[in-house]
Amino acid sequence: KAGVTQTPRYLIKTRGQQVTLSCSPISGHRSVSWYQQTPGQGLQFLFEYFSETQRNKGNFPGRFSGRQFSNSRSEMNVSTLELGDSALYLCASSPGRGGRLNYGYTFGSGTRLTVV
Amino acid sequence: DAKTTQPNSMESNEEEPVHLPCNHSTISGTDYIHWYRQLPSQGPEYVIHGLTSNVNNRMASLAIAEDRKSSTLILHRATLRDAAVYYCIPNLYGGSQGNLIFGKGTKLSVKP
Repeated sequence: KAGVTQTPRYLIKTRGQQVTLSCSPISGHRSVSWYQQTPGQGLQFLFEYFSETQRNKGNFPGRFSGRQFSNSRSEMNVSTLELGDSALYLCASSPGRGGRLNYGYTFGSGTRLTVV
Repeated sequence: DAKTTQPNSMESNEEEPVHLPCNHSTISGTDYIHWYRQLPSQGPEYVIHGLTSNVNNRMASLAIAEDRKSSTLILHRATLRDAAVYYCIPNLYGGSQGNLIFGKGTKLSVKP
């Protein structure tokens, strides 16, 4: 069965622009979480969506936002890009919300965003 | 949130067993211990999880101390493909926002 699909794989943007990243979870998975990975901070939680509602949010500024559609696909948006937003953005899906009941998470390969 | 301590790096020879330790002394009684790994240029992938008993699957074995304050991930025969960063996560729903909390992990190198 298809895994978690993230598009695009690579992206280069200019400071001040905005960007939208897409994530298609495994079929039947209703929970989608987003993580940012940088060499300095490691993997950090951005937010989680379940049934089209944001359930949890990490400590990121309001420039980071997301949404989930009725088919569970999710997008995240970063506005007014800063150089420090350069990172690997990972999406993870799970059958249940927040990995409860030990469903575990399946991660995509990520989108590598470079801000210049 | 339960805190973990893992060695920064470990080295192994190909086809030899590898024991990756993790200390999680503040784990609560109902927290499962999960291990994920991240291969270069990929997202993390699930390896194994357990509560109290030792667990085995096709990828690895998980040995959990009787007091649950530590666990060891065992790769029975390391291959080059096992070179990755291994994360021990003592509480899958551990973050205050209900998220995975990744520490620094252990970077495993496998020599041919």
